[in-house]
Amino acid sequence: KAGVTQTPRYLIKTRGQQVTLSCSPISGHRSVSWYQQTPGQGLQFLFEYFSETQRNKGNFPGRFSGRQFSNSRSEMNVSTLELGDSALYLCASTPGTSNTEAFFGQGTRLTVV
Amino acid sequence: AQSVTQLDSQVPVFEEAPVELRCNYSSSVSVYLFWYVQYPNQGLQLLLKYLSGSTLVESINGFEAEFNKSQTSFHLRKPSVHISDTAEYFCAVSDNNAGNMLTFGGGTRLMVKP
Repeated sequence: KAGVTQTPRYLIKTRGQQVTLSCSPISGHRSVSWYQQTPGQGLQFLFEYFSETQRNKGNFPGRFSGRQFSNSRSEMNVSTLELGDSALYLCASTPGTSNTEAFFGQGTRLTVV
Repeated sequence: AQSVTQLDSQVPVFEEAPVELRCNYSSSVSVYLFWYVQYPNQGLQLLLKYLSGSTLVESINGFEAEFNKSQTSFHLRKPSVHISDTAEYFCAVSDNNAGNMLTFGGGTRLMVKP
């Protein structure tokens, strides 16, 4: 069974640009969550999508958005990039039942210059 | 609101020595607890989890953790560490009201020395 796939692995963007990151969950999993990891703030929850609906949202500005498609693949978008958005963005895939094991992808390393 | 505190940001230890990584949580409802491990430039891998039942949970690679409700702790232990255990370890909590949202501690870097 294939794991969670995140693309791209690395990105370099300029301040003010926007970026889209992609996550393909494990086959059959219906929930996708996104996390931001930085040295200063650690791992912070961005949002969770389940059956194409946002089910939970963390404390991030509206520049951070996401969506989920009917095949459970998810994208997150960050608009008007700031230097502080440089981070490892991790996607987690879960079958859908709350509190079960979350499987993480390898992440997308975003650098904003 | 939930919170997780990992008391040690770094733990150096010699190979074959025992180790304990501490984790305390705060929550007003029943919780589910997890330990994840992260190797350099990798995502997170689940080490072990407590959902219900026995308060002592074990992983296949020799780690164990004990859920202590009265002390709101979920410390991770291993009786004898190996060089390959060098990594960052994250404690996380979830509950029935949070969907699949995980709240993570700040992480503990385990450094195993030969």
